[in-house]
Amino acid sequence: NAGVTQTPKFQVLKTGQSMTLQCAQDMNHEYMSWYRQDPGMGLRLIHYSVGAGITDQGEVPNGYNVSRSTTEDFPLRLLSAAPSQTSVYFCASSYQGAVSGANVLTFGAGSRLTVL
Amino acid sequence: SQQGEEDPQALSIQEGENATMNCSYKTSINNLQWYRQNSGRGLVHLILIRSNEREKHSGRLRVTLDTSKKSSSLLITASRAADTASYFCATPNYGQNFVFGPGTRLSVLP
Repeated sequence: NAGVTQTPKFQVLKTGQSMTLQCAQDMNHEYMSWYRQDPGMGLRLIHYSVGAGITDQGEVPNGYNVSRSTTEDFPLRLLSAAPSQTSVYFCASSYQGAVSGANVLTFGAGSRLTVL
Repeated sequence: SQQGEEDPQALSIQEGENATMNCSYKTSINNLQWYRQNSGRGLVHLILIRSNEREKHSGRLRVTLDTSKKSSSLLITASRAADTASYFCATPNYGQNFVFGPGTRLSVLP
């Protein structure tokens, strides 16, 4: 059981380049999300999905696209990278706790992106 | 906008001491969660407390929740060097989304 897998772990881009951060989970979770983490700001929600074919914007969606064609995969696309997108990106999926009945997040290990 | 705010931003203690960190939030919640992040890693869920609970224990962790003050605290007893990490409180926003505070960086010195 691999959990949430993110690739790549590190990436350096030049301004204007495009790339896709991959996220896959093998836990059959319906909910998946992308956060970015910047120093002193905690995690901020970029986009999320409540199931295949359904996506929605979070707090900071500008400059990012997502799609959800399968339950397992939730890629995050940067169409034209900007230095402001330098950050650490985390993918997370959600499950409902058996005892609490509340949703709990399972995170990937993160992808560190630097835009020059 | 951030829902949770942890306090202090950084905490340094000796091994064996207790570590207490606090979280304040702004709106009504049905649960509050604490996560740990080791350096260079993803966040890991530690403990969840529901709005109708005042205190919850899990091993060396003790979480309290005061809904009247919109605050929570995380106590780690008998700290170990392995507890060195950042700790975040998270509150449900809408649906299955969460809002995270900026975190408390805990350093446990041997």
